[in-house]
Order: sequence, then structure tokens, then C-alpha cells
Amino acid sequence: DTAVSQTPKYLVTQMGNDKSIKCEQNLGHDTMYWYKQDSKKFLKIMFSYNNKELIINETVPNRFSPKSPDKAHLNLHINSLELGDSAVYFCASTYTGGAGKLFFGSGTQLSVL
Amino acid sequence: KQEVTQIPAALSVPEGENLVLNCSFTDSAIYNLQWFRQDPGKGLTSLLLIQSSQREQTSGRLNASLDKSSGRSTLYIAASQPGDSATYLCAVRPIDSSYKLIFGSGTRLLVRP
Repeated sequence: DTAVSQTPKYLVTQMGNDKSIKCEQNLGHDTMYWYKQDSKKFLKIMFSYNNKELIINETVPNRFSPKSPDKAHLNLHINSLELGDSAVYFCASTYTGGAGKLFFGSGTQLSVL
Repeated sequence: KQEVTQIPAALSVPEGENLVLNCSFTDSAIYNLQWFRQDPGKGLTSLLLIQSSQREQTSGRLNASLDKSSGRSTLYIAASQPGDSATYLCAVRPIDSSYKLIFGSGTRLLVRP
């Protein structure tokens, strides 16, 4: 009964490949996020969706395309993977009518070789 | 542009010691501030959330304070235990972009038995 679940946990792939990461939350939240944590452990927001609508797109290369089929799901598709895409990607969710407490998934460690 | 800084970057203390982690932010126009804990290979767990109108929040051995006017927050951990070893991150939710959090780079805490 994990609140925010991401799959896969680990992803190892070759440069140039296309891959997807999936996220699902069962908290009834209406806003979901993708954050990227680089090798220096710095967390930076990439995208946010509120009720399936994109509300934040933080200067991310257009090789990254998020998709939110419904409020409970937010997927991230990455085309033509590059070495610099190697990082840990975290999904998170919140309820905008509440205090704004953020709940995170356990992360997907992406390694591009 | 909001920037969040955490000092020190790393801290090692003997078990039982009381300790303080610091967080500073450059723009006082925030909705709230959150403290998170991150264990290696895991996601982030929200520890405490302080609304902009509040001065402090407590949970067990943790106490977080907020001085919005000076752009500072502290996380106080009483009677530290080896199980407290983790990276602690603070994040602010800006008023001008209420859907996202801006994170500091974290303080890596080691509590030695």
C-alpha cells in the first residue's frame, strides 16, 4: 500500500535509447511532480501536473516528455538518452488545497552508459 | 530568484548529542518551509512543515523553527541516535510559484555510536 510508487527502481541503458519511468499515487492528490537529483544530491524540479494539466516546465530539454493520463499517474518518457541524463528521478505528489506537504516516491536511478 | 542554502554540508556527532541544522533562503515571500529526511537509496520523507505564519513545529525529538524575516530556519535534533544518520534537506514553497518547492543541497548527518 505504498503511497507514491515508481517503476522501475533501477534503469541501466545505452546512450541514444528511449525509456520511460512510471509513477502512481494512491493518496487522492491532485498535483504530481518529477524532480531530478544529480550526483551532488541537488534536487531540482522538472515538471508538475495539476489535475492532468501541465503547470510547471522548468527548462527541461524537449527529449523529456511527461504524460499524465489521470490524476493518480504521471509518467516520464525520455528520448535519445544522453550520458548527462544519469541521475535519480523522483516522483512526488501533494494536494493543493492542503498544507502543501509533499510525498515522494523512492526514486528511479537511471544510468546511461 | 529564490535560493536555499544549508550549512554545514556534513556533520558527524557522537550519539546523545543535541544538534542544530541550518537552512537559509534569500526571498522571504514563502508559503511554507519543509524539512525532509533522505536515507541512502531511498526517497524523501517529510519530517516537519512550518507555515509562513508559524514560528516552530515539533515532532518527537525534532523541532523546526522559522524566522521568515531573516530568511532562516533551524532543525533541532535532541538526544541524537545512530538511526538519525541521513541527509536532511530543507525546501521552501515560494508565494509566486505555489506549486513547486525549492530545495537546499542538504546536510549529511552521521551519528556515531
